[in-house]
Amino acid sequence: KNEVEQSPQNLTAQEGEFITINCSYSVGISALHWLQQHPGGGIVSLFMLSSGKKKHGRLIATINIQEKHSSLHITASHPRDSAVYICAVRGGSNYKLTFGKGTLLTVNP
Amino acid sequence: DAGVTQSPTHLIKTRGQQVTLRCSPKSGHDTVSWYQQALGQGPQFIFQYYEEEERQRGNFPDRFSGHQFPNYSSELNVNALLLGDSALYLCASSDGGTGTQYFGPGTRLLVL
Repeated sequence: KNEVEQSPQNLTAQEGEFITINCSYSVGISALHWLQQHPGGGIVSLFMLSSGKKKHGRLIATINIQEKHSSLHITASHPRDSAVYICAVRGGSNYKLTFGKGTLLTVNP
Repeated sequence: DAGVTQSPTHLIKTRGQQVTLRCSPKSGHDTVSWYQQALGQGPQFIFQYYEEEERQRGNFPDRFSGHQFPNYSSELNVNALLLGDSALYLCASSDGGTGTQYFGPGTRLLVL
């Protein structure tokens, strides 16, 4: 079993829809990252959080430490949101990030 | 302010050869991490460099080695290349290693 599991693996939505991507992890963590990867490879860091909730524009990330679960929400989705969204965790005193396999989001106009 | 840069962008090698990939961190960052991303998979941690020393290493063989220079730039070396080493190699920099990671565009390596 992978330390970081994401669901769904693939998600197709219509423009304007509310999107939720889930991440579950099995280890104690000190931080969780949400990342966005576009075709061609470049990765952009969206959020780093260790508790509660963060919001940036149309993106919202939440984390429940007790349940070892995080969600990434996109409100009013747009075709330019189409990308792979990756959850990654850093455990305890570790410096390394452990990544999920990613969720491929396609938003159709 | 330049972000994280990597070179080269693409590389083709044959089995058994050696390769060196380069990374320049974001200005002000002192820590560089290297990741390998196979097609359709999430990145896998190779190692992290801080103060010119390897601070932590993932589950990669000794064929994978690195270096960090006094200006914080870093190299990843892979010896005796295997077909399975074909992947996107990503470099990420941060301040101290535990904060937000800033990723470079990656080097796509193809081993034939």
